[in-house]
Amino acid sequence: AQSVTQLGSHVSVSEGALVLLRCNYSSSVPPYLFWYVQYPNQGLQLLLKYTTGATLVKGINGFEAEFKKSETSFHLTKPSAHMSDAAEYFCAVSASGSARQLTFGSGTQLTVLP
Amino acid sequence: GAVVSQHPSRVICKSGTSVKIECRSLDFQATTMFWYRQFPKQSLMLMATSNEGSKATYEQGVEKDKFLINHASLTLSTLTVTSAHPEDSSFYICSARDGVGPANYGYTFGSGTRLTVV
Repeated sequence: AQSVTQLGSHVSVSEGALVLLRCNYSSSVPPYLFWYVQYPNQGLQLLLKYTTGATLVKGINGFEAEFKKSETSFHLTKPSAHMSDAAEYFCAVSASGSARQLTFGSGTQLTVLP
Repeated sequence: GAVVSQHPSRVICKSGTSVKIECRSLDFQATTMFWYRQFPKQSLMLMATSNEGSKATYEQGVEKDKFLINHASLTLSTLTVTSAHPEDSSFYICSARDGVGPANYGYTFGSGTRLTVV
């Protein structure tokens, strides 16, 4: 079984400040890890993913995340927040199995203050 | 990149009627699709896994007779909410697995369907 914990259901940062959204996972096998962003009444857009290779992953819109196996973490960061980053962010894990379905965290609502 | 088209984006139906939601992979073949339900301010809950040419696998607690899933081709999966009731009102999102091999592995999501049952 796999699970994802996102610490902080709401995070507020000032425009230009560092964004840090936390994600810890549990998986009995090597995981595939994903971060998605969701704007109101829309589907999910992939920000970045880790499946294999380099543990520091760069994604779209200046976001990046680092897979730390020892800490079972995959925190999302962005050096400088922009107003357009305000949205809901979901961390997800996909573990082994024939279907490899995604298991989502509870989500973090990011607010960017002017 | 991979695109998944989901229709309709919004639908309002009367209680007791059925509603069909379509999910199409536009530029790739999707042998596996997933259907999620999302309540306001909450995360996505997996309802079922849809495999082309075979019966869907439903998650525990999901009524397979209420939420009929058909995956008849490699590019189309449908979710039919039968005899809809107000408690079925929700945001439904489909997803298709795309990419071959670990480096390309991923999931593409549709834009979602807001179902309101009145």
